[in-house]
Amino acid sequence: SQTIHQWPATLVQPVGSPLSLECTVEGTSNPNLYWYRQAAGRGLQLLFYSVGIGQISSEVPQNLSASRPQDRQFILSSKKLLLSDSGFYLCAWSGQANTEAFFGQGTRLTVV
Amino acid sequence: EDKVVQSPLSLVVHEGDTVTLNCSYEVTNFRSLLWYKQEKKAPTFLFMLTSSGIEKKSGRLSSILDKKELFSILNITATQTGDSAIYLCAALHSGGYNKLIFGAGTRLAVHP
Repeated sequence: SQTIHQWPATLVQPVGSPLSLECTVEGTSNPNLYWYRQAAGRGLQLLFYSVGIGQISSEVPQNLSASRPQDRQFILSSKKLLLSDSGFYLCAWSGQANTEAFFGQGTRLTVV
Repeated sequence: EDKVVQSPLSLVVHEGDTVTLNCSYEVTNFRSLLWYKQEKKAPTFLFMLTSSGIEKKSGRLSSILDKKELFSILNITATQTGDSAIYLCAALHSGGYNKLIFGAGTRLAVHP
C-alpha cells in the first residue's frame, strides 16, 4: 500500500534562516506531488505541484521554492524565512488520473 | 477566480444529532468534489463525487453532489464525539494535474 512521509513534524526557525522540508512517497510510481499551506482558520492553499522529476509549478508567488530530485521525493525550501512563512505545511500525492489526494502528517512551522 | 465556500464555518452539536455540512463551488474545468476529515494533522479522505445526484455512503456519513446548482452536502447522522473535526471540501480542477481547490472548512464539535 502507499504511504507518505513528511518531516519534521514541528519546526521553530528564526527569521532569515533557511528551510528544508522533505516528503517521500512509497508504494507508487510517478505520482503527482503537492505542497499545501494551511493558515489558521483557513483552507489549504496549493503552493507547488509536480507531475514528474524536475517539473515544478508554482501556484502563488512567495518566498518558497520546491524541488523534486527523485520520482517520489518532494522538497520545500527557502533561503531566508519570513515571519509570514509560519503555518502548517502539508505534502500530498495523487495518481495521474482523476483521483483523490493523500496527505502527509504535516509540518508546523513557526518563524520567530 | 475559482472558489469553494463552506458553511457553516463552525458547528456545535450534541451526540446523537444529525448535521448537514454545505459546500458550494465555482471552478472552471470542474471534475469532482472531494470531502476530507481533518482531526489533528493530515486530512483523511472521505468521499469523491463526480456524478450528480448519486449519494455516496460510508457508515453514518453520506454525501451528494448537485452539478447544476454547484454544491454538495455532507450528512452525518447519530453524531459521536469522534466525529469532532474540521471537514474540508475541495473541488478537483482538471488541467493536466489534479489541482484541489479547498474551502475554509467547517469545524464540527460534538459534545457528549
